[in-house]
This record gives sequence, C-alpha cells and structure tokens, in this order.
Amino acid sequence: EIVMTQSPATLSVSPGERAILSCRASQSISSNLAWYQQKPGQAPRLLIYGATARATGIPARFSGDGSGTEFTLTISSLQSEDFAVYYCQHYNGWPPYTFGQGTKLEIK
Amino acid sequence: QVHLVESGGGVVQPGGSMRLSCAASGFTFSDFIMHWVRQAPGKGLEWVAFIQYDGTNKYYADSVKGRFTISRDNSKNTVYLQMNRLRAEDTAVYYCAKDKWELSIKGGTFDYWGQGTLVTVSS
Repeated sequence: EIVMTQSPATLSVSPGERAILSCRASQSISSNLAWYQQKPGQAPRLLIYGATARATGIPARFSGDGSGTEFTLTISSLQSEDFAVYYCQHYNGWPPYTFGQGTKLEIK
Repeated sequence: QVHLVESGGGVVQPGGSMRLSCAASGFTFSDFIMHWVRQAPGKGLEWVAFIQYDGTNKYYADSVKGRFTISRDNSKNTVYLQMNRLRAEDTAVYYCAKDKWELSIKGGTFDYWGQGTLVTVSS
C-alpha cells in the first residue's frame, strides 16, 4: 500500500499571504494525485487532479505541482474561505487509494 | 447538477449489520465508477470501496474486506454498501463519491461527494 505523508500538520498563515502545502508518496505515483479541501461539517471538495489540473469552478489561486513522489498545493493569496483542512490522495493504478493525514490551514 | 444523497446510517451494535444507500442524480449514473469513503470522528479520510460502472469489478480496503459489500442498481441510480460484522472502529461518516472519469475501468478521482451519513457502532 502506498503511504501518503502531508506536511506540515498545521499551517498558520495570514489572509492575503501565500500557503504551500506538501505531500509525499512512499513510492512513485506519476501524476496520479488529487487534492481536496474540507471545511467543518462539510464533505470534501475536489480541488486538483492529475497533480496540476484544477477541478471545475476552482479559483486560479489554487495550483498544484509535482510528480513522482513529491507534490505541493499552493494557494497564492489566502482568502477567508480558504481556511480548512486539505488532503492529498493518490490514485495510481488499482485500489486501495490512500489519503494523506491532512494539513489544517489556520488563520495566523 | 450532480446530487448524491446517502441514507441508512444510525446506531448499530458490534457484530451487527447495516446497509447504506446513495441515490444519485444529475449525471448518467451507469457510466461512472462509484466509491464509498469514510471519516471517523475527528480523523482523516479513508477510501472504503469501489464499484465499476457496470458492477463487474469491485475493490475494498483491507480494513473492510470480507465484511462489506458494495453493489449498485443502475436502473435505480443507486449504490449500496452492505456492512456486516460491524466493529467499533467502523464508526464514521460514510460518504458516497462519484468518480470523475466516464466509462473508465480505473478511477480514483472523487469529483462529487454526498453529504455523508453517520454510522455509530456501539453497545
């Protein structure tokens, strides 16, 4: 099973600043990586798939990068609605698909 | 627009059974892989099960293999999760999720999610 590791566990950033979240896979997953945002009491929302492609309706301030084992999610200028928990998830090959443990993005 | 509505959650005793349903609308249900993903209270996300668009292939997380069964009825636009021999560690919000890719045999990108249904396993 591929293990996904996210860092940091919590990230404190001021509104308007940039946030960079990291995700590492225990083995190469090519570009088969997605990022999700989850707010309290809500279902997750797909942000990025294929490591770099934004999902429908996702603002351009969200961008993904990376391939192989190292990935990042960048939020260029944080808005109040962006403070949430972010998960990376691989979908390389057949299941099981695994998620990282999440990064909580909080207001500084 | 795409709409997924889960039902069937509640409280069940350890060792008991429960069946979850997820009613889908707003897309051609029979063309897409469907998944169940769960989230224990205060914890992260765990993929649980996958069923191919025509029901021919199914996959399960090791934690539920042999106890849970995913199925679908394309005539009713509904996917199910039959959960047997439930354990305390199965307590979670269960989400159904639609796969992004049409008529694909491999999936894993969850582009739409339901609101979730809570399953509590407790005596």
